[in-house]
Amino acid sequence: EADIYQTPRYLVIGTGKKITLECSQTMGHDKMYWYQQDPGMELHLIHYSYGVNSTEKGDLSSESTVSRIRTEHFPLTLESARPSHTSQYLCASSGTGDTGELFFGEGSRLTVL
Amino acid sequence: GQNIDQPTEMTATEGAIVQINCTYQTSGFNGLFWYQQHAGEAPTFLSYNVLDGLEEKGRFSSFLSRSKGYSYLLLKELQMKDSASYLCAVTDSNYQLIWGAGTKLIIKP
Repeated sequence: EADIYQTPRYLVIGTGKKITLECSQTMGHDKMYWYQQDPGMELHLIHYSYGVNSTEKGDLSSESTVSRIRTEHFPLTLESARPSHTSQYLCASSGTGDTGELFFGEGSRLTVL
Repeated sequence: GQNIDQPTEMTATEGAIVQINCTYQTSGFNGLFWYQQHAGEAPTFLSYNVLDGLEEKGRFSSFLSRSKGYSYLLLKELQMKDSASYLCAVTDSNYQLIWGAGTKLIIKP
């Protein structure tokens, strides 16, 4: 069973606020990912990490930043939220198994007013 | 560029069979995934194909033809709970996942 957790599940904030979306996994996975997904649309990779102190930007340009100080923790930060950041943010991790399947958290739905 | 195509939406009847197709053009190939995503929820893993042929898992089966850049997901004995989006994703030569936009499957009684 997948053990990957995201907080908060829902967040409504005002423009200009700084926010951090938390993501933790207890599976010991080295690879972690942040995706952005609008309703009915495809997943867009915004950040990924292949291990501690390793972070890379994904395909979608994003004003967010990430850090990977511990294997289990991969937080995403927006320094100054804007209405265009309104979306669902999905965290995922994968191990070194045969398939490399992704395990997803339940998502953080962000609304910026 | 890299591209994955799936139908946007399909409708089927409870108890019937439906086939969701996926075609891909990617730089290299290291496996194809199918995920299920219910509205407002995160995707969950359904199947993985890396060799040509059919993989069967209960009511769900997935087929791959690497030479044709083609896969399908077959759902049998459809149930109302199968109403969801079905996402096709391919791992390219750099082991990056390329996602399709998903097929929304509507099941009618």
